[in-house]
Amino acid sequence: AQSVTQPDIHITVSEGASLELRCNYSYGATPYLFWYVQSPGQGLQLLLKYFSGDTLVQGIKGFEAEFKRSQSSFNLRKPSVHWSDAAEYFCAVGTLTGGGNKLTFGTGTQLKVEL
Amino acid sequence: DAGVIQSPRHEVTEMGQEVTLRCKPISGHDYLFWYRQTMMRGLELLIYFNNNVPIDDSGMPEDRFSAKMPNASFSTLKIQPSEPRDSAVYFCASSRTTEAFFGQGTRLTVV
Repeated sequence: AQSVTQPDIHITVSEGASLELRCNYSYGATPYLFWYVQSPGQGLQLLLKYFSGDTLVQGIKGFEAEFKRSQSSFNLRKPSVHWSDAAEYFCAVGTLTGGGNKLTFGTGTQLKVEL
Repeated sequence: DAGVIQSPRHEVTEMGQEVTLRCKPISGHDYLFWYRQTMMRGLELLIYFNNNVPIDDSGMPEDRFSAKMPNASFSTLKIQPSEPRDSAVYFCASSRTTEAFFGQGTRLTVV
């Protein structure tokens, strides 16, 4: 069975600083990987996804993530954090069920941005 | 499109009562998922449907939980009887291809 580990429960960065959120996965086949963001009281919004091809994927809001098969990692990065990025971030591995997407989530990383 | 719509947004009920959560998926999406989010267990998949048919309900915690999808535009998740440990945020999501779109969730509190 697939699993996702996000080792950092909380991260605090200063506005304008760079950000990296860690994600490690366990999956027996080629993984389909996702990063979602959840603002307080809201649902989850997809930031980016990796299926195949270029291992560096670009997403919305200036985020990017790099897939490293040798390290079973899919870390999320942003060169300059904005105060509005404060939220909870979830990494997920997906099992494409004939077109749909059954997701297994990590426990999330809460990002705090200091002004 | 209005996105995935869930109702109610908040529900407070007494232990032992029946609770019904509702979801309207995005039109044209043929997959529908119910997730539960708690502090202890994080986000976990409860059940999912394809073309209104339940495919995998292995995540449903107990027989007290049931889900239906009578048509392509409506699904319910029912808890009967409810217990305090069912308190959580319940999310519905729908998809057509590879991206799952989530509703804003229903925050359930069982007292």
